[in-house]
Amino acid sequence: DAGVIQSPRHEVTEMGQEVTLRCKPISGHNSLFWYRQTMMRGLELLIYFNNNVPIDDSGMPEDRFSAKMPNASFSTLKIQPSEPRDSAVYFCASSLAGDYGYTFGSGTRLTVV
Amino acid sequence: SQQGEEDPQALSIQEGENATMNCSYKTSINNLQWYRQNSGRGLVHLILIRSNEREKHSGRLRVTLDTSKKSSSLLITASRAADTASYFCATATGANSKLTFGKGITLSVRP
Repeated sequence: DAGVIQSPRHEVTEMGQEVTLRCKPISGHNSLFWYRQTMMRGLELLIYFNNNVPIDDSGMPEDRFSAKMPNASFSTLKIQPSEPRDSAVYFCASSLAGDYGYTFGSGTRLTVV
Repeated sequence: SQQGEEDPQALSIQEGENATMNCSYKTSINNLQWYRQNSGRGLVHLILIRSNEREKHSGRLRVTLDTSKKSSSLLITASRAADTASYFCATATGANSKLTFGKGITLSVRP
């Protein structure tokens, strides 16, 4: 298995533009998570899905952020419109439900200028 | 808010020495996990210890869990320069075992 695959690896965009981050989880994993990492706030859980259904989106900062999981092999995190304070590394992770560790992707480094 | 808090924030040791990192948390947990992150990379799962376990080993790693003190420690024995990384404690809580991470410990192993 190639692991959790995220794209793009780097994204530089102008303030106000729409940004879409993509994630392909490990086949067979039924839980998917989106995290954001910054120096100031560390790793923050934004949203997670079980069996493609959003379970907890309480970490999504505001309505500008949305996430979807149309099927078991694909998820997107969208920011519209983007702002400079959204600059961070965004990680996707997947796991089996229960007492299992997460497998993280390599992350998308987002810079909003 | 941070559930797990690691201590120390930074640790510098000589190759061959042991490294001990600590984690404290606030609420009851389902399990506690340790992850490693190399600079510019994603997090890698190292070890998971369930709330009813007290100690676990994996290669050069040893994890302990004291639920009465709400604390855990990660011991890396015979450290290597390649162990240089950030280490994160994460606690799984609630019905869905949501994972919350601490801010991490920066470990530097000098060759």
